[in-house]
Amino acid sequence: NAGVTQTPKFQVLKTGQSMTLQCAQDMNHNSMYWYRQDPGMGLRLIYYSASEGTTDKGEVPNGYNVSRLNKREFSLRLESAAPSQTSVYFCASGGTATNEKLFFGSGTQLSVL
Amino acid sequence: RKEVEQDPGPFNVPEGATVAFNCTYSNSASQSFFWYRQDCRKEPKLLMSVYSSGNEDGRFTAQLNRASQYISLLIRDSKLSDSATYLCVVNPNTGGFKTIFGAGTRLFVKA
Repeated sequence: NAGVTQTPKFQVLKTGQSMTLQCAQDMNHNSMYWYRQDPGMGLRLIYYSASEGTTDKGEVPNGYNVSRLNKREFSLRLESAAPSQTSVYFCASGGTATNEKLFFGSGTQLSVL
Repeated sequence: RKEVEQDPGPFNVPEGATVAFNCTYSNSASQSFFWYRQDCRKEPKLLMSVYSSGNEDGRFTAQLNRASQYISLLIRDSKLSDSATYLCVVNPNTGGFKTIFGAGTRLFVKA
């Protein structure tokens, strides 16, 4: 039961470097999400994709881009990493109804020096 | 004011105790409510949905008070394995996909 798979688990970047976080789900879910979690802040939505072919900004989209490659995959790209982007990133997927639960990947611990 | 607010705790309780967490939300039009559990350095996982009439799942009881805009979670007969952070989650009526997470309440259950 893979569920939601995220890679990498850990990453250290220097300021200005770029990287892509990968996420894939095997539950045939329509919606996919990227969150970041910082101490005392809770999870904050970066971008989401309600269905294949669509993406929308969440609460904190600046500095990030996303691609919904197909129904299974949703990637998050940092074009020029900044120390403020040091965080734990979680990918999640869910159904089409607004009251459906979210399934999360195991997270990526990203440090930007 | 944060959209979803929780007491960060930590709550330190002995095994067997009953503990209650409260959460308030600011958007009166919110439609869906949940409690998630997050273990240290792990991903959040759904604990239970919260229904208007209140609902129970074993030792866990969730209640919703729309008039006062708060949600509660009651854990009876606490176990060591209940030690975790409990996240209050609200799905606003607008858009439908912008689920909002509280910062969480930390619970430590001691032997």
